[in-house]
Amino acid sequence: QSVLTQPPSVSAAPGQKVTISCSGSSSNIGNNYLSWYQQLPGTAPKLLIYENNKRPSGIPDRFSGSKSGTSATLGITGLQTGDQADYYCGTWDSTLSALVFGGGTKLTVL
Amino acid sequence: EVQLVQSGAEVKKPGESLKISCKGSGYTFTGYWIGWVRQLPGKGLEWMGFIFPGDSDTRYSPSFGGHVTISADKSINTAFLQWSSLKASDTAIYYCARFQSAAAKDYFDYWGQGTLVTVPS
Repeated sequence: QSVLTQPPSVSAAPGQKVTISCSGSSSNIGNNYLSWYQQLPGTAPKLLIYENNKRPSGIPDRFSGSKSGTSATLGITGLQTGDQADYYCGTWDSTLSALVFGGGTKLTVL
Repeated sequence: EVQLVQSGAEVKKPGESLKISCKGSGYTFTGYWIGWVRQLPGKGLEWMGFIFPGDSDTRYSPSFGGHVTISADKSINTAFLQWSSLKASDTAIYYCARFQSAAAKDYFDYWGQGTLVTVPS
């Protein structure tokens, strides 16, 4: 059971928009910044969003992040088949003194 | 260009020891934490711990402390993850990643390609 809760899977058609939620508590998301990672099949994770809503250089603006209270959301617009991947949220948990990840969400672009 | 290059896949027997590596380049290796993340077959990401190569300050996840050892050799810009006695349950892909940490803004910005460790039961 992961400390951060994500839906196991989401799906949408090409060109559409999808959101992936990440729910936590005051010891993690509520008082720390959140990051998101994309893991394409058979590859290493890649940073997608950091500090709740910032994109590293090279990440298209189709990807966005937001946070409210103890929850966060990753949004992806203009879905492409190449976006099919597992997506993970992560942050520091002050009570556990540990970096924690969500269980991951598998995105299928139908 | 920041790069983290990990050592190759390993197949070991239960009870054997193992040390895998992660070599950083393209940045000041001693100025950033390096973390290790485990991914069990078909499962999610789990943080194991990290090290600051500048002074070898090391932090472990409560879930992994005591079973693995994280170290670094700053003279060769390389971090290590080692086991003294492997178990079949250690079969996983292990990633190293550069860790950005400042005022609750914690995230991994660059990742290695991963090292597959297989310990047949």
